[in-house]
Amino acid sequence: SAVISQKPSRDICQRGTSLTIQCQVDSQVTMMFWYRQQPGQSLTLIATANQGSEATYESGFVIDKFPISRPNLTFSTLTVSNMSPEDSSIYLCSVPGQANYGYTFGSGTRLTVV
Amino acid sequence: ILNVEQSPQSLHVQEGDSTNFTCSFPSSNFYALHWYRWETAKSPEALFVMTLNGDEKKKGRISATLNTKEGYSYLYIKGSQPEDSATYLCAQGGGYQKVTFGIGTKLQVIP
Repeated sequence: SAVISQKPSRDICQRGTSLTIQCQVDSQVTMMFWYRQQPGQSLTLIATANQGSEATYESGFVIDKFPISRPNLTFSTLTVSNMSPEDSSIYLCSVPGQANYGYTFGSGTRLTVV
Repeated sequence: ILNVEQSPQSLHVQEGDSTNFTCSFPSSNFYALHWYRWETAKSPEALFVMTLNGDEKKKGRISATLNTKEGYSYLYIKGSQPEDSATYLCAQGGGYQKVTFGIGTKLQVIP
């Protein structure tokens, strides 16, 4: 299965600033997913990043707040813009595995907004 | 059931005890049921992906069953060890369907 390197692993940010999270995959993948887990909540899909086209955002998430780049088949970034304390979460990137092998995840970015 | 639901949300067991958790999910438009183990400061790790009603899968001391008609899956851990301490997530979907996660069951195995 693929191996994903996610950076940064954690950060503490001031409200109103932005943070860009990077995921590098060791193989080419068509689809990459970005998830968020707020405290006490389930993992929630933010958007699907496809190379060569705009990301597809889930209900409740917008491009201005969570811009995504996917410049090639091994790399993607998620930016959390104009942060507020409500953005304090764990952010994860993920790629589909081969059939019946589940999804592979990055190690997560633990974000605290103060 | 409209969402993926897991119970209990947290669980403490003594080392050596066996335990199980439940995942309930919408039975309509079923694609696949996933179980993941998520240890603190690590990536969620896939344990099982099950697609067929009646599926049973096993990995060491951990096993899972699936009932797609009634919309539930059980995860069993036999003889729990401290290294089993983690959050266990279940999720439904895959392929071209969105994967929807439950909130997880946080297991603490006490030595």
